[in-house]
Amino acid sequence: QKEVEQDPGPLSVPEGAIVSLNCTYSNSAFQYFMWYRQYSRKGPELLMYTYSSGNKEDGRFTAQVDKSSKYISLFIRDSQPSDSATYLCAMTGNQFYFGTGTSLTVIP
Amino acid sequence: DTAVSQTPKYLVTQMGNDKSIKCEQNLGHDTMYWYKQDSKKFLKIMFSYNNKELIINETVPNRFSPKSPDKAHLNLHINSLELGDSAVYFCASTSGGGIGQFFGPGTRLTVL
Repeated sequence: QKEVEQDPGPLSVPEGAIVSLNCTYSNSAFQYFMWYRQYSRKGPELLMYTYSSGNKEDGRFTAQVDKSSKYISLFIRDSQPSDSATYLCAMTGNQFYFGTGTSLTVIP
Repeated sequence: DTAVSQTPKYLVTQMGNDKSIKCEQNLGHDTMYWYKQDSKKFLKIMFSYNNKELIINETVPNRFSPKSPDKAHLNLHINSLELGDSAVYFCASTSGGGIGQFFGPGTRLTVL
């Protein structure tokens, strides 16, 4: 079983839609949970992170962690074409583990 | 000022050659990484390195070797390049107590 599972998509939504991106994991030792955004032909950039369970909001983005279910989510409200990218979840206990990424396209 | 930089950005070479990719970070971080990203966008960690410890992913062939002349640099040397080495290689760094990693722009390696 992979440490981190993420649906690769692709996901295509109209502009203004709410987007939900998800990852599951198997290691209960993970403590920090991160979301990265990667534009085409660029390096991943850290979008936001959360520690343990709960929600964290930053503008149109909300990260959610449910440690009991080993499930994390990233919600994007009022999605914009500029949000079109690959989104990778990542988590760490003593090592970093990345999901495979979900490709998102927001159609104007 | 670029936080994590890599050179070259593109590298095209023949099978069997030896090549190096350079990475520099000006963030004062003490841990650096090399990742390989394949065509399916999967990021696979190859090495993590700080001034105390080199951790090697056991699946990485020993043709790949990291070299760190100082804390701000971690270069990747690849011997006897193979077709399957074609990928994008990312360097990243983080501080000891840091949460996220900062990535470089990537080096797109094509082996012919």
